[in-house]
Amino acid sequence: SAVISQKPSRDICQRGTSLTIQCQVDSQVTMMFWYRQQPGQSLTLIATANQGSEATYESGFVIDKFPISRPNLTFSTLTVSNMSPEDSSIYLCSVGGINNEQFFGPGTRLTVL
Amino acid sequence: AQSVTQLGSHVSVSEGALVLLRCNYSSSVPPYLFWYVQYPNQGLQLLLKYTSAATLVKGINGFEAEFKKSETSFHLTKPSAHMSDAAEYFCAVSDGNTGGFKTIFGAGTRLFVKA
Repeated sequence: SAVISQKPSRDICQRGTSLTIQCQVDSQVTMMFWYRQQPGQSLTLIATANQGSEATYESGFVIDKFPISRPNLTFSTLTVSNMSPEDSSIYLCSVGGINNEQFFGPGTRLTVL
Repeated sequence: AQSVTQLGSHVSVSEGALVLLRCNYSSSVPPYLFWYVQYPNQGLQLLLKYTSAATLVKGINGFEAEFKKSETSFHLTKPSAHMSDAAEYFCAVSDGNTGGFKTIFGAGTRLFVKA
């Protein structure tokens, strides 16, 4: 398994601003994943981040709104841009295991006012 | 396309009683199936996984799940509930054939344990 940390753990932001969330893994991994969990709901995959290439976004998510960086094999960032109250969610990063299982970070709880 | 349905958004049991959380899946290829648990203000933790080996899978904290292909089910059970089991539980499926990691999560079931 992997140990994953995220910063910040929570934040309260004003609409129209941007927040960058950091994800650090204790081992080198090829793929990292970013999920959104809206209040009281399940997880939705935002994008898959491979080191050295552009992130792959799921339907309904675009790079302009959720730019992702993947500068090395242990680190990734997700930016939530031009935020609105609808972006209030928990954002989780994860990495995959040998049988497709996911290992998750503790999440970043974002509130947009 | 793959999908997961969890029956019951909330389940309440008494401490010491059987826990049964239901999950049905849809997949056109042999699936990998998972149960995750989310405690308040935490990320998700893997409870157990099915990867086409034994159909009865044992996980952490005394939980187990049985893969039933004929019923397309992967229900989660625990013989005796403990107060510490109170959490949100997610069933999930991914494509076991392509080696991809795209995982579809169910809507979740919140387990309440009464003293």
